[in-house]
Amino acid sequence: DTEVTQTPKHLVMGMTNKKSLKCEQHMGHRAMYWYKQKAKKPPELMFVYSYEKLSINESVPSRFSPECPNSSLLNLHLHALQPEDSALYLCASSQENTDTQYFGPGTRLTVL
Amino acid sequence: EDQVTQSPEALRLQEGESSSLNCSYTVSGLRGLFWYRQDPGKGPEFLFTLYSAGEEKEKERLKATLTKKESFLHITAPKPEDSATYLCAVRTYSGAGSYQLTFGKGTKLSVIP
Repeated sequence: DTEVTQTPKHLVMGMTNKKSLKCEQHMGHRAMYWYKQKAKKPPELMFVYSYEKLSINESVPSRFSPECPNSSLLNLHLHALQPEDSALYLCASSQENTDTQYFGPGTRLTVL
Repeated sequence: EDQVTQSPEALRLQEGESSSLNCSYTVSGLRGLFWYRQDPGKGPEFLFTLYSAGEEKEKERLKATLTKKESFLHITAPKPEDSATYLCAVRTYSGAGSYQLTFGKGTKLSVIP
């Protein structure tokens, strides 16, 4: 089983809202990732967690705040977003940071 | 700077018309090359990992090959359900024990019945 789940599937929020994206995997993977993908562009890495510790932060604005409560869960907290933050947010996981990444279905975020 | 270039950007094939997609890369230290398939509005689906020049992997109508500078995804007798965007990614060492993927822009494949 190589399933990564993400909730919600769609999210519409205003620029003053606070919301969270959730990602879950039960494959025993120890590395988890957040990517942002704009239309007709490839995924762009935002954050990497390895063994529940943040190992890569690709200079992402502070209005995006990741959290890894345990080895199976990864959250992305959103606050004061801009319309240009509208995108497909993808979560991925891998056995270790050196292994194949498996992606979830994504959350389609629209910021009004 | 690590670079991944995919060509063509878009490809239209008749059903049954075989072809190849190209992924050329310039990286300081390749730690694996990956092919993913992505349908519109969905997450990338893993297809293949290749690690060394000369390596080949096959799955149904798809075959991936790797040289020192590029990879090819060969599609034999494609069907309409093979229509998708195919993404190539290379994994490189980013320091402090961490690795990351650098994606190409993808090839959008359309297979016409």
